[in-house]
Amino acid sequence: DAGVIQSPRHEVTEMGQEVTLRCKPISGHDYLFWYRQTMMRGLELLIYFNNNVPIDDSGMPEDRFSAKMPNASFSTLKIQPSEPRDSAVYFCASKLAGPSYEQYFGPGTRLTVT
Amino acid sequence: QQQVKQSPQSLIVQKGGIPIINCAYENTAFDYFPWYQQFPGKGPALLIAIRPDVSEKKEGRFTISFNKSAKQFSLHIMDSQPGDSATYFCAALSSGTYKYIFGTGTRLKVLA
Repeated sequence: DAGVIQSPRHEVTEMGQEVTLRCKPISGHDYLFWYRQTMMRGLELLIYFNNNVPIDDSGMPEDRFSAKMPNASFSTLKIQPSEPRDSAVYFCASKLAGPSYEQYFGPGTRLTVT
Repeated sequence: QQQVKQSPQSLIVQKGGIPIINCAYENTAFDYFPWYQQFPGKGPALLIAIRPDVSEKKEGRFTISFNKSAKQFSLHIMDSQPGDSATYFCAALSSGTYKYIFGTGTRLKVLA
């Protein structure tokens, strides 16, 4: 299995630009999670989906952030407009339905907003 | 109350030493406590996890000790190796929510 796939791996953009991060979960996994990792705040859950439906978006920092999951094999996290404080590593993770709580993380996207 | 406090922030041990990383929580609704290991440039990966109905769990050289009354749990790495050098995150979760609350991480370096 290829694991969780994220693209791009690195993104550098200027303040005010739109940024779209992409994620392909492990095939057959029903849950998808978006996290943000910074030195100051550590790993924070932004939003998670179950069967393509957003379940909890309470971690989304503000209206500039939006996430979609149009089908079981693809999700996007969009930031519009981007700000320097959005610079972080963004991880996508997926989980199989059932009793296990294990989440499988992708390699992350390192976002730098200048 | 949703926080998980992790210490130390960083740790250096000699090969063969036993690093210990500690976490504390407040929310008594948490009932699943995993440890994730993260290597540079990679995403975190589940290392070991425990539920509060047991006080200790071992998997290979990794052991979780759990103290329910103190609301604390810790990770011990026996016979540590340079390949164990990574960042370790504790986390907590309430059943049915799937929302991990992560600790701030401990950067471990094992010297050869």
